[in-house]
Amino acid sequence: RKEVEQDPGPFNVPEGATVAFNCTYSNSASQSFFWYRQDCRKEPKLLMSVYSSGNEDGRFTAQLNRASQYISLLIRDSKLSDSATYLCVVRGPPNNAGNMLTFGGGTRLMVKP
Amino acid sequence: SQTIHQWPATLVQPVGSPLSLECTVEGTSNPNLYWYRQAAGRGLQLLFYSVGIGQISSEVPQNLSASRPQDRQFILSSKKLLLSDSGFYLCAWSLGGLTGELFFGEGSRLTVL
Repeated sequence: RKEVEQDPGPFNVPEGATVAFNCTYSNSASQSFFWYRQDCRKEPKLLMSVYSSGNEDGRFTAQLNRASQYISLLIRDSKLSDSATYLCVVRGPPNNAGNMLTFGGGTRLMVKP
Repeated sequence: SQTIHQWPATLVQPVGSPLSLECTVEGTSNPNLYWYRQAAGRGLQLLFYSVGIGQISSEVPQNLSASRPQDRQFILSSKKLLLSDSGFYLCAWSLGGLTGELFFGEGSRLTVL
């Protein structure tokens, strides 16, 4: 089983649609969680952190379910500019050298007019 | 504010030639530094990380090496490139701790011919 697993997609949705991505992680001791966005041939950029209580930033909502070991990202009212690859990122438990991030393979979203 | 820069942005190298990618971070002290590689259509693979000057940890065996000669400088090198070294190389930094987020440079796209 991969440490962080995502459906690669692509998810093809019309403008204005609501779309949700899930991501599962294998290490129950993982400490923190993030969603990153990566545009084609660009570097990943932090979209939002994921908190235990869930958090919302405009049209984006992130949820964490520790019992089932998954995080989710919900995008409401999709825009053409939301087209990108969304990376699920999990920070593992601390060890002597630090606490490492593991990236999922990404979910590609394509928003159509 | 903190910034991260890496260069060169694009390079085409013949098999067997050397490689040097550089990365610098400004506006912070004692960051954790990372080199990732992203092959076409694949997720991010952690190559090296460093928690301090002269401290390098390698995540995967390969013909690449990394060095940290100064607190905010991270260098990725190879003496002889292989075709399989082609990819998108990303430098990143984070602050230590359990919840630190990762911030990426613009990336260096390497094609080995």
